Amino acid sequence: KNQVEQSPQSLIILEGKNCTLQCNYTVSPFSNLRWYKQDTGRGPVSLTIMTFSENTKSNGRYTATLDADTKQSSLHITASQLSDSASYICVVSLALYGNKLVFGAGTILRVKS
Amino acid sequence: NAGVTQTPKFQVLKTGQSMTLQCAQDMNHEYMSWYRQDPGMGLRLIHYSVGAGITDQGEVPNGYNVSRSTTEDFPLRLLSAAPSQTSVYFCASNKGLNTEAFFGQGTRLTVV
Repeated sequence: KNQVEQSPQSLIILEGKNCTLQCNYTVSPFSNLRWYKQDTGRGPVSLTIMTFSENTKSNGRYTATLDADTKQSSLHITASQLSDSASYICVVSLALYGNKLVFGAGTILRVKS
Repeated sequence: NAGVTQTPKFQVLKTGQSMTLQCAQDMNHEYMSWYRQDPGMGLRLIHYSVGAGITDQGEVPNGYNVSRSTTEDFPLRLLSAAPSQTSVYFCASNKGLNTEAFFGQGTRLTVV
């Protein structure tokens, strides 16, 4: 069964600190892995997309890594800001006809001052 | 730069009522999808379309219908609303297979 598991479920950190969110997947056939940020009451917004051959990708203070052998990904947030408070969702795209995405349940991050 | 626009943002229905959730995109994307988001779960695909006139079922299609008469619009119809359809619904579009998906702001639906 195609699944995406994220940990932790929730996290509280102090402003300015770094954090790392984890994603494990059992999805086949794999096309790419994405990280989305979802603010409360809003739709998800793409942060990064990585294909099988990419093992790291950055978007400002966000850095995603991918280990396709162990089927693990991480999202590292550097120097957190209050505006980073959101749900971070790991999504794996299937290499199939159609538009098949498998979503993790998300990690809720709260940054406090 | 509207992107993906969903209407309404909030809706309350009585069991058995029908309604249509609207979704429009102005990016000329071929692919459009509908998802539902429930607490503690990842988004689940309801229906999707790979182009005008072409639709297919996703993971949880029962109780929903879609059509795609134009590239821009992809409405989702609830035929006879049930409390189990209480959820937040997101429409998304992307240019092609496995490209970045752009999401609307969501419709929060409550069925009583």
